[in-house]
Amino acid sequence: KQEVTQIPAALSVPEGENLVLNCSFTDSAIYNLQWFRQDPGKGLTSLLLIQSSQREQTSGRLNASLDKSSGRSTLYIAASQPGDSATYLCAVISGGYNKLIFGAGTRLAVHP
Amino acid sequence: NAGVTQTPKFRVLKTGQSMTLLCAQDMNHEYMYWYRQDPGMGLRLIHYSVGEGTTAKGEVPDGYNVSRLKKQNFLLGLESAAPSQTSVYFCASSRDSWLNYGYTFGSGTRLTVV
Repeated sequence: KQEVTQIPAALSVPEGENLVLNCSFTDSAIYNLQWFRQDPGKGLTSLLLIQSSQREQTSGRLNASLDKSSGRSTLYIAASQPGDSATYLCAVISGGYNKLIFGAGTRLAVHP
Repeated sequence: NAGVTQTPKFRVLKTGQSMTLLCAQDMNHEYMYWYRQDPGMGLRLIHYSVGEGTTAKGEVPDGYNVSRLKKQNFLLGLESAAPSQTSVYFCASSRDSWLNYGYTFGSGTRLTVV
C-alpha cells in the first residue's frame, strides 16, 4: 500500500530564507507527483506536476525535484515571502487506478 | 472560468439527518473524485467516477453514496449523518489523460455533524 509522508509537519522561517519541504513515498511505482498549496479555509491550488519520467519542474521561485528510486521529492522555495505562508501538500498517483494519495502536509509560516 | 464548484460551502447537520453535496465542473473532465480532509491525516478518497454513469469506491466509502448522472456533476450523499463524518469535503476532477494534466480541486465544503 502506497504511503506518503511529509517532513516537517510545520515550519516557521524568517522572510527571505530559502527552504526545502520534503515528501517521501513507499512505492516507487508512481505515475506522477503533484505539489499543492492550501490556504486556511480554502481549497487546493496545484503548484507543480512532475511526471515519473521527469527529474524536476520549476515555476517562478518554486522548484520541485523527483527521485523515484529513493522514493523522494523536494519542493524548494527561494527567497520566501509572508505570502508563501500556507500548507503544502504532496500527492502521488500510483496503483492500478488513477487516484491521488496525499501526504498530511507541511504547514509553513514565513514571518516578516 | 469557474473550474470546479462545490455547494454548499458550510453545513451543520444533526446526527441521523441526510444531505447531498454537489460538485459541478465546466471543463468537460471525465474523472471526478470526492475526498475528505481531517486534521493531521491529509486527504482521503471517498468515491470516484471515471465517466458519466460510473462510480467506484475509494479508501473510505462507508456511510457515503455517490451518483454521476451527468458528466459535469458528481453528487455525494450522506444518508444518516454521524459525528465521525464531520470533516472538510473536497471535490476534484481530471481530464481523461490524467497522467499529463493533474487534478483541479473545488474550494471545499465544511460539514459539522452534531
